[in-house]
Amino acid sequence: DAGVTQSPTHLIKTRGQQVTLRCSPKSGHDTVSWYQQALGQGPQFIFQYYEEEERQRGNFPDRFSGHQFPNYSSELNVNALLLGDSALYLCASSLVAGAGYTFGSGTRLTVV
Amino acid sequence: AQSVAQPEDQVNVAEGNPLTVKCTYSVSGNPYLFWYVQYPNRGLQFLLKYITGDNLVKGSYGFEAEFNKSQTSFHLKKPSALVSDSALYFCAVRPLGGGYNKLIFGAGTRLAVHP
Repeated sequence: DAGVTQSPTHLIKTRGQQVTLRCSPKSGHDTVSWYQQALGQGPQFIFQYYEEEERQRGNFPDRFSGHQFPNYSSELNVNALLLGDSALYLCASSLVAGAGYTFGSGTRLTVV
Repeated sequence: AQSVAQPEDQVNVAEGNPLTVKCTYSVSGNPYLFWYVQYPNRGLQFLLKYITGDNLVKGSYGFEAEFNKSQTSFHLKKPSALVSDSALYFCAVRPLGGGYNKLIFGAGTRLAVHP
């Protein structure tokens, strides 16, 4: 089953470092969205990519950036990591005009 | 501001009893509505969605949800709870128009089903 694949599953970074998270969308999907889920909270929308461009952005600082590749896969980059960036990062894929979202299992980022 | 409220942090129910997890939303227009479930250290699993049509939506694992436009609510229900239903449940809305294709989530409700 070609669901949403995220890597790595876990990682630990030091404050001030940079991190890159990766996402492969479900087969047939063309849109990738990223969400941050802090402990005990609901997921918060970071941004969405379609046709290799950022289409929408949530209330996150410029330290959060992304990229979408021609094969629709995506990366989330976070610079100058803060302790508060520790969270589960979820990738969701969809069709741009669709109403179905498939989520990956997430990447658990711990900043120490 | 657009928002989703899940007024209960936790819902406790005995196995075999009916369950309800509440959700209300504040979004203009007629948004799409979703329920997701999350098990420990896992991503979100889709349960059901409402786009249009019948106000009672049936989903996975015997769950259903009732859409009430006048009360802007979308409560999740199941006639007979199982211990294996114990998990974290999220309600989400997708606003329509304005180029929106993002989901706005509630804070989640932890469901505990006791044997």
